[in-house]
Amino acid sequence: ETGVTQTPRHLVMGMTNKKSLKCEQHLGHNAMYWYKQSAKKPLELMFVYSLEERVENNSVPSRFSPECPNSSHLFLHLHTLQPEDSALYLCASSQTSARGGYNEQFFGPGTRLTVL
Amino acid sequence: LAKTTQPISMDSYEGQEVNITCSHNNIATNDYITWYQQFPSQGPRFIIQGYKTKVTNEVASLFIPADRKSSTLSLPRVSLSDTAVYYCLVGSLSGGYQKVTFGTGTKLQVIP
Repeated sequence: ETGVTQTPRHLVMGMTNKKSLKCEQHLGHNAMYWYKQSAKKPLELMFVYSLEERVENNSVPSRFSPECPNSSHLFLHLHTLQPEDSALYLCASSQTSARGGYNEQFFGPGTRLTVL
Repeated sequence: LAKTTQPISMDSYEGQEVNITCSHNNIATNDYITWYQQFPSQGPRFIIQGYKTKVTNEVASLFIPADRKSSTLSLPRVSLSDTAVYYCLVGSLSGGYQKVTFGTGTKLQVIP
């Protein structure tokens, strides 16, 4: 596998279920991101992990819980979600750097989540 | 974070050159300008990035005026497969990681 992979690609869950989304990057990067993309809305940054430490949490409800066990893997644990949480969840990775500038983010294909 | 404004949608015929302009009036000195392409139900894909003047790669050109308050993505001779949403972003490394905001993007429809 190359690049950024996400599993599952599609997920349907009830509001009382607990599920997890998985992201794996094979690029040797050390920063990973979770984004949410709802219909007709911009991508929303949810969480950022840099060097396995959570460095960004954009006011995301606690029913979303990220986990980054190592620099290659990122999880998003889901619990008691609401129908409005239905969206495409995208994972991305990039390489951090002490210098300035911008390093390209590589995105996975996303998980299409439907909450019933 | 610098906010970007770009047209919501554009139509173009196959074989034409397409120019998509993005305004970013409050771009910071350290910010870079980056464009991504996204097909339905896929993650965005990096197209091109620049800081100033002109950048060209095998798929696009990016024109940035001296004041850097806007930028133009140029796609030469588009084909049907270029139908996608194009996002303009400004941002830089912050604490070692990217901190950028995706706008609503421009939905480009290429017509046969």
